[in-house]
Amino acid sequence: NAGVTQTPKFQVLKTGQSMTLQCAQDMNHEYMSWYRQDPGMGLRLIHYSVGAGITDQGEVPNGYNVSRSTTEDFPLRLLSAAPSQTSVYFCASSYSDGGPNTGELFFGEGSRLTVL
Amino acid sequence: DQQVKQNSPSLSVQEGRISILNCDYTNSMFDYFLWYKKYPAEGPTFLISISSIKDKNEDGRFTVFLNKSAKHLSLHIVPSQPGDSAVYFCAAGSSNTGKLIFGQGTTLQVKP
Repeated sequence: NAGVTQTPKFQVLKTGQSMTLQCAQDMNHEYMSWYRQDPGMGLRLIHYSVGAGITDQGEVPNGYNVSRSTTEDFPLRLLSAAPSQTSVYFCASSYSDGGPNTGELFFGEGSRLTVL
Repeated sequence: DQQVKQNSPSLSVQEGRISILNCDYTNSMFDYFLWYKKYPAEGPTFLISISSIKDKNEDGRFTVFLNKSAKHLSLHIVPSQPGDSAVYFCAAGSSNTGKLIFGQGTTLQVKP
């Protein structure tokens, strides 16, 4: 099994450009989420989804869009990139039972994004 | 407003000794808590969890303690090994919302 696959691993954008970070999982997990990691800030939740067709905002959703048309895929879109979005982005998934198992996330390897 | 806080950015311990990592939370709605470990250039990996109905959960060298009245949890690693050197994140979740909120992380260095 590949687990959680994120692409691209590295990306450099100019301010105002748009892009999509791809995330796919092959574990048939209902729950998927996106985090960003910044120095001193830990991991901050951007958006999450408890199943296909359902998405919700996390702690820092502004500037990002998500959709969940299939169980496997959960892309993160940056509509107009800003330098403040320079970060390492992690996608994660888990089996969702509404309880503690939801928290046992499987993470991808991360996507490092630089916005100039 | 940081709902999950790890107030110690770093911790250094000698191999074989105990490592204690601490975490505080503010939201009473959290009903499960987890610890994750992260090596550089890798995604975090799940380490151990605890439900709010328990006060202790043990898995090998790792034990998590939960003090609900103090809204505090801790991770004990005994004995510490050099391979345990990593960033440790605590996280808290609520069955009602599906959100999992992480702390800022603590960098553990275990010296041989």
